[in-house]
Amino acid sequence: DTGVSQDPRHKITKRGQNVTFRCDPISEHNRLYWYRQTLGQGPEFLTYFQNEAQLEKSRLLSDRFSAERPKGSFSTLEIQRTEQGDSAMYLCASSTTSGRMDEQYFGPGTRLTVT
Amino acid sequence: DAKTTQPPSMDCAEGRAANLPCNHSTISGNEYVYWYRQIHSQGPQYIIHGLKNNETNEMASLIITEDRKSSTLILPHATLRDTAVYYCIVRVGSNAGNNRKLIWGLGTSLAVNP
Repeated sequence: DTGVSQDPRHKITKRGQNVTFRCDPISEHNRLYWYRQTLGQGPEFLTYFQNEAQLEKSRLLSDRFSAERPKGSFSTLEIQRTEQGDSAMYLCASSTTSGRMDEQYFGPGTRLTVT
Repeated sequence: DAKTTQPPSMDCAEGRAANLPCNHSTISGNEYVYWYRQIHSQGPQYIIHGLKNNETNEMASLIITEDRKSSTLILPHATLRDTAVYYCIVRVGSNAGNNRKLIWGLGTSLAVNP
């Protein structure tokens, strides 16, 4: 399967703990996006990378959130000192600048539950 | 990016065409219309996009009005597997520029009934 993969698929953690999610984009895609989705809502943009450069961050991305893409391939999203309000589905997407319209292809998501 | 308005829910009989409307009255001249769908507990899936001409691919057809203020996504022969939330999004389509994020509304929840 050459699609976007995310790991883990599910994560349950206690409030105050740190969590890290991983996203592996489609191999030739140089853009990578993180979104967050709560129940009944559409996805909300968090941040995006072009290669290893983080080009845009949402105001939703508080100081407790950090994302990296060190070699321009996979990316990690870390949440420090988790809160119950962080419970959501975290979605990763990738796209390519060689594509005409920059369609984003999404992974299956990581569902985070903070207890 | 312009905002979109979609009905919250629709029903369709299996085998019939599903026509999903979207209003985007403030769309700019360089903004494209994108459609994605999200099946329950899965990540969103790209369906189709267009600027001003009607578009068709293996999944769906996109009809954009001449004034570009609204569009309709057509699933010609809906199946049970098409039950999903369908999102209409407008965004600048060019690869130039830094504003690459997608801004999502609540979408239309389509139920295809046997």
